[in-house]
Amino acid sequence: AQSVSQHNHHVILSEAASLELGCNYSYGGTVNLFWYVQYPGQHLQLLLKYFSGDPLVKGIKGFEAEFIKSKFSFNLRKPSVQWSDTAEYFCAVNAYSSASKIIFGSGTRLSIRP
Amino acid sequence: DAGVIQSPRHEVTEMGQEVTLRCKPISGHDYLFWYRQTMMRGLELLIYFNNNVPIDDSGMPEDRFSAKMPNASFSTLKIQPSEPRDSAVYFCASRGQYSGNTIYFGEGSWLTVV
Repeated sequence: AQSVSQHNHHVILSEAASLELGCNYSYGGTVNLFWYVQYPGQHLQLLLKYFSGDPLVKGIKGFEAEFIKSKFSFNLRKPSVQWSDTAEYFCAVNAYSSASKIIFGSGTRLSIRP
Repeated sequence: DAGVIQSPRHEVTEMGQEVTLRCKPISGHDYLFWYRQTMMRGLELLIYFNNNVPIDDSGMPEDRFSAKMPNASFSTLKIQPSEPRDSAVYFCASRGQYSGNTIYFGEGSWLTVV
């Protein structure tokens, strides 16, 4: 069965620091990968997604993620964070074999110090 | 273009009462998902439908939970009887044939059982 691991539960950074949030999945076949963001008190919104092609994916608000198939990873990055990036970030995976079932990681809470 | 619409946004109810959460997916979407979010367990997939038919309900915690989708534009998640441990945010999400595997979330229903 597919699963998603986000090892960082809570990350605290200062403004302008660089960000990298880890995401690893367990599934040997073809996958679609997603990062969603949940701002305080709001619903989940899509940040970026990988289906195929260039493994470096650019998303909204300056975020990007790199799919490394050999490492089963899809880490989220941002060169310089802002206070408004304070949110919870969820990695999600959808395996082709279970076409519609999208499984989410436990989330990483990001706190930015002004 | 309206997104996924959920109601009620907030509900406080007493233990033992029946709770009904409602969802209207994005028009034209043929997949509908119910997720539950808690601090302890993160985001859990409870059940999902395709063309109004339940496909996978393995995430439904117990018999007290039931979900229906009588037509393409409406779904309910019912808890009867409710218990304090059911307190959580319940998200409905939908996906369409032409949205790839991207799912779109509603604003959530914040349930508190006292």
